[in-house]
Amino acid sequence: QKEVEQNSGPLSVPEGAIASLNCTYSDRVSQSFFWYRQYSGKSPELIMSIYSNGDKEDGRFTAQLNKASQYVSLLIRDSQPSDSATYLCAVSAGGTSYGKLTFGQGTILTVHP
Amino acid sequence: SAVISQKPSRDICQRGTSLTIQCQVDSQVTMMFWYRQQPGQSLTLIATANQGSEATYESGFVIDKFPISRPNLTFSTLTVSNMSPEDSSIYLCSVVGGQDTQYFGPGTRLTVL
Repeated sequence: QKEVEQNSGPLSVPEGAIASLNCTYSDRVSQSFFWYRQYSGKSPELIMSIYSNGDKEDGRFTAQLNKASQYVSLLIRDSQPSDSATYLCAVSAGGTSYGKLTFGQGTILTVHP
Repeated sequence: SAVISQKPSRDICQRGTSLTIQCQVDSQVTMMFWYRQQPGQSLTLIATANQGSEATYESGFVIDKFPISRPNLTFSTLTVSNMSPEDSSIYLCSVVGGQDTQYFGPGTRLTVL
């Protein structure tokens, strides 16, 4: 059973702070890792993808991947109220599972002014 | 990224009836995916729709309950058959873009009474 676990929320941070979201996965053959943002009543929106160990930065977002520890995280710097949403970690094994995503349960983030 | 549309955007149905959800993509794609998001839950993959072949279903989902059609490379339908209140969910179609990234349609919000 492939599992993706996210840190329990909800997570509340003040505006301007760093929000840290964590995710662990059980399937060692996982190759592709994604963070989606989902606003209430909307579909998930891809914000970051990462495929190799290390950090990947895109604007205020940094994804970190450690395949040995089966751990992926998302840091949001200078958090804004507009970042308040549910963040979903998703993992794909590739190969015959190409395109199939296993999602974590999501972490609700609230950024308060 | 692909532009994906779904019809209907929402519907309220009576138990025992069926609903067919349409998904249209603005470019040709090999695989399309159908996900379900139950209230307050994360996304779960229902099946992969391949053009020219039978859909492949994930554990816990069966063709009799969720028949899928894929008549061409830009279109797919998912039918939710013999509905019960437990089928009340958001149903999302998705496609894979470059580097295994996945993009989601706006979703169909289904309520079964």
